[in-house]
Amino acid sequence: DAGVTQSPTHLIKTRGQHVTLRCSPISGHKSVSWYQQVLGQGPQFIFQYYEKEERGRGNFPDRFSARQFPNYSSELNVNALLLGDSALYLCASSLVGKEQYFGPGTRLTVT
Amino acid sequence: GEDVEQSLFLSVREGDSSVINCTYTDSSSTYLYWYKQEPGAGLQLLTYIFSNMDMKQDQRLTVLLNKKDKHLSLRIADTQTGDSAIYFCAEIPHGSSNTGKLIFGQGTTLQVKP
Repeated sequence: DAGVTQSPTHLIKTRGQHVTLRCSPISGHKSVSWYQQVLGQGPQFIFQYYEKEERGRGNFPDRFSARQFPNYSSELNVNALLLGDSALYLCASSLVGKEQYFGPGTRLTVT
Repeated sequence: GEDVEQSLFLSVREGDSSVINCTYTDSSSTYLYWYKQEPGAGLQLLTYIFSNMDMKQDQRLTVLLNKKDKHLSLRIADTQTGDSAIYFCAEIPHGSSNTGKLIFGQGTTLQVKP
């Protein structure tokens, strides 16, 4: 079975631009979470979505938004990019209330 | 508060056992997890333990949980060079079970010398 997939793998953007990252969960998983991992640190929780509804939000500004589609895939959007948004963005999927399985991540570089 | 702490670095010889330690602050956490991250990759779920358990063994991996001291450890038996990676401890704090919000430690880099 395919694991969690994310696209693109790498992305370079300029300050002030907008970016969209995509995630496809494991088949049968209806819950998707997004994390930001800055170099040298552990992942930080951004959002969780279940059945297209936001179930949780971490301490991130409103520039960060997400949505989940009827097929349970998800997009993370970041507006007005800052240099500090450079990070590995990880998506995880799970059955409700169960352990989370992570994708390979999208490496975002903001210049 | 929500905080998970780990030592930053551990170096062992191939064939030895490795013990990676973690402390957490939320005594109400129901599940605690260990993830492995290789360079440039995502996180791989290694194992997890429910809070009403003291120990869980899965092949070369043994997880020990001391709820009184809020201490979690991961023991890797017969450590191999392929075990070289960053290991993260994580918990879902009380009140976050509906959101699935994982709180991660800063990671322990395991170096395995041949």
